[in-house]
Amino acid sequence: EVQLVESGGGLVQPGASLKLSCVASGFTFSDYWMSWVRQTPGKTMEWIGDIKYDGSYTNYAPSLKNRFTISRDNAKSTLYLQMSNVRSEDTATYYCTRGLPGVYWGQGVMVTVSS
Amino acid sequence: DIVLTQAPLSVSVTPGESASISCRSSKSLLSSKGITSLYWYLQKPGKSPQLLIYRMSNLASGVPDRFSGSGSETDFTLKISKVETEDVGVYYCAQFLEYPFTFGSGTKLEIK
Repeated sequence: EVQLVESGGGLVQPGASLKLSCVASGFTFSDYWMSWVRQTPGKTMEWIGDIKYDGSYTNYAPSLKNRFTISRDNAKSTLYLQMSNVRSEDTATYYCTRGLPGVYWGQGVMVTVSS
Repeated sequence: DIVLTQAPLSVSVTPGESASISCRSSKSLLSSKGITSLYWYLQKPGKSPQLLIYRMSNLASGVPDRFSGSGSETDFTLKISKVETEDVGVYYCAQFLEYPFTFGSGTKLEIK
């Protein structure tokens, strides 16, 4: 059974950094592109970016490219999202997905940016 | 960026009746390979989004055939025939033709 489990969220102050993780199981992680998507409290869905199966290539939403970094550790079957200089508008639930946002999504992890 | 405009914002449906949701793209979603890269999702309350339709008209595995997708290069429709109470939630369209990938703003389906 494919499972994606995000962690690392919580309350963070504006300007701080935060790293989210997504542990994958039930499939060969190193065979798949992976993506991050977020959903704001107002329910807006936003694609953040994705990473090639070997970690050699990434794509980002232009508005997030300078602050967010996606990486992966195939040996640990883990996807990461490094968030820096976070802002209140980064408050959202963050989902990892396998490949294009398709069938497999994690349960999501909440990030709240507030002082 | 490709902008996806969904309508209506919300829809209220009597069980057993049909519902249609529109998604209009600011650009053709037809690729050079003849694939229309428009996807539909349902997010039930408190749950992660689930894929309903991929590549405009293909039903995802396990999705009831009450759901169907259709459209052209820029105008798309999700139809739900014989709506059931379990269909409640927010429906999103999304495009994966080109980066950055984008989502519609969502349509909330409620039961009368």
